[in-house]
Amino acid sequence: NAGVTQTPKFQVLKTGQSMTLQCAQDMNHEYMSWYRQDPGMGLRLIHYSVGAGITDQGEVPNGYNVSRSTTEDFPLRLLSAAPSQTSVYFCASSYSKNTQGGEQFFGPGTRLTVL
Amino acid sequence: GNSVTQMEGPVTLSEEAFLTINCTYTATGYPSLFWYVQYPGEGLQLLLKATKADDKGSNKGFEATYRKETTSFHLEKGSVQVSDSAVYFCALANSGNTGKLIFGQGTTLQVKP
Repeated sequence: NAGVTQTPKFQVLKTGQSMTLQCAQDMNHEYMSWYRQDPGMGLRLIHYSVGAGITDQGEVPNGYNVSRSTTEDFPLRLLSAAPSQTSVYFCASSYSKNTQGGEQFFGPGTRLTVL
Repeated sequence: GNSVTQMEGPVTLSEEAFLTINCTYTATGYPSLFWYVQYPGEGLQLLLKATKADDKGSNKGFEATYRKETTSFHLEKGSVQVSDSAVYFCALANSGNTGKLIFGQGTTLQVKP
């Protein structure tokens, strides 16, 4: 299994540009999430999904959109990039059943810089 | 709301020293607790977990005990190595597994030879 994969690994955007960060998992996990990591602030939840066709907002959703058309994929869209969105973005997935206590599996991250 | 608080870093230790990284939490119900580790330039990896009170999670010489009475989940290792240098995150998942993790701010550990 490849686990959770993310593309691209690095990206530089200009203010106002849009782009999509890709995330895919091959573990048949129902739950998927997007986090951003900023220095001194840990990871903060942007959006999450509990299954195909179902998404919800996390702690910091403004400026981002998501959709979940399949179990495997959960892309994150930046509508109009701003310097405040410079960050490292992590995608994660987990089982829906509580057998693992809510453990999440993380992708390698996308480092985004907005100029 | 639910939250996780970690001791501030960076923490700098000599090889073979004893490590403690404090983590306390605020949560309703019975959350699961995790320690994740992030090595330089990499994503997060699960280090250990505990899903109920008094459980002890352990892995690679690291240990943490879920203490409900003190709402704590401190990470310990008896003898650190240079290869343990990384950022450590304490996190909780609400009881019932809502698909969300709440993270502490992370603690950077640097181990010197």
